[in-house]
Amino acid sequence: RKEVEQDPGPFNVPEGATVAFNCTYSNSASQSFFWYRQDCRKEPKLLMSVYSSGNEDGRFTAQLNRASQYISLLIRDSKLSDSATYLCVVRRASKIIFGSGTRLSIRP
Amino acid sequence: EAGVAQSPRYKIIEKRQSVAFWCNPISGHATLYWYQQILGQGPKLLIQFQNNGVVDDSQLPKDRFSAERLKGVDSTLKIQPAKLEDSAVYLCASSPGQNNEQFFGPGTRLTVL
Repeated sequence: RKEVEQDPGPFNVPEGATVAFNCTYSNSASQSFFWYRQDCRKEPKLLMSVYSSGNEDGRFTAQLNRASQYISLLIRDSKLSDSATYLCVVRRASKIIFGSGTRLSIRP
Repeated sequence: EAGVAQSPRYKIIEKRQSVAFWCNPISGHATLYWYQQILGQGPKLLIQFQNNGVVDDSQLPKDRFSAERLKGVDSTLKIQPAKLEDSAVYLCASSPGQNNEQFFGPGTRLTVL
């Protein structure tokens, strides 16, 4: 079993829809959590950190559920430009583990 | 502000050959990371430097891969000899410290024939 798992998708949703995906992690000692965005053939870029209290940045909301060991990302009012792969990242001491990513495609 | 620079951007070699990649991090960033990203997968951390010291290299295949950051700035990653399964994008990232946001370079796309 992988330490960080994501549904690979693709999620294909219409513009303006709300979409959510989860990322599960297996090691309860994991300390910090992030969502990165990666466009096709580009490098990953930080989308947002995930705090215990949850956090929101515009149309994006991230939440952490330590009891069930997962983090989530919610995108409201999706735009065509949101089409990308979303990577979940978990840090534990010096270990940094990326999930394989969830592909999101927004259609007009 | 200049971002993370990597070269070359593309490299094609035959198996058993050697190859080296270069990374110049953002000025002042103490932490430097090398990742391997195979098509369809997330990046896998190969090695993490704090200044010129190694913080973590537990996933670096040390029989064929080596990396150095001698002066705590630029870094090189070498593969010797390359195997077919080394075909991937090699990403370099830097951050001000170990717990800060990582900034990635554009990567080097390696094809081993």
